[in-house]
Amino acid sequence: GEDVEQSLFLSVREGDSSVINCTYTDSSSTYLYWYKQEPGAGLQLLTYIFSNMDMKQDQRLTVLLNKKDKHLSLRIADTQTGDSAIYFCAESPIKAAGNKLTFGGGTRVLVKP
Amino acid sequence: EPEVTQTPSHQVTQMGQEVILRCVPISNHLYFYWYRQILGQKVEFLVSFYNNEISEKSEIFDDQFSVERPDGSNFTLKIRSTKLEDSAMYFCASSGQGEAFFGQGTRLTVV
Repeated sequence: GEDVEQSLFLSVREGDSSVINCTYTDSSSTYLYWYKQEPGAGLQLLTYIFSNMDMKQDQRLTVLLNKKDKHLSLRIADTQTGDSAIYFCAESPIKAAGNKLTFGGGTRVLVKP
Repeated sequence: EPEVTQTPSHQVTQMGQEVILRCVPISNHLYFYWYRQILGQKVEFLVSFYNNEISEKSEIFDDQFSVERPDGSNFTLKIRSTKLEDSAMYFCASSGQGEAFFGQGTRLTVV
């Protein structure tokens, strides 16, 4: 079955860039997502990319996809203390109905002032 | 901005009891999901629901679990005869043709 893996923890200084990495195994056409979870809160969709794209930029967020290596990264520019959270990578195969997500274990990002 | 809402935010129940977790999906969405996250583990897919029936379920979603859309707005997850290992955060999600939006979760504690 599908599997998604992430590193557990990232510490970054305020103002620096953060890069969170993710690898996945599904070889079919797929959507790849980044969700953010703040303490006590739900899963907030940050951005997503379709597997035929290499890059997507949305304000401070840049998603890079290396489809050959099945490697996805999320870069957060000018990281702020409010970016401290757990970031989940997830993938979903293209289907006619609905999109079941397979999540990674999450990367805890700690932003130090 | 439309959002998925879940109630209650925290539920404590005794082992063996039945619980119902409630969700109000985004109003024009057609697909509904339940996921769970046991403390320290990955978020796991439980079930998806479309057109008033289950469209896909995981091996976790056994006869102990059931889902229902009792009216035009609510989507519920029933867990019968709860066990200690059912303690987890349960997330409801809904989607149209695109990405899924998640609720804030219900933390279920079985004692």
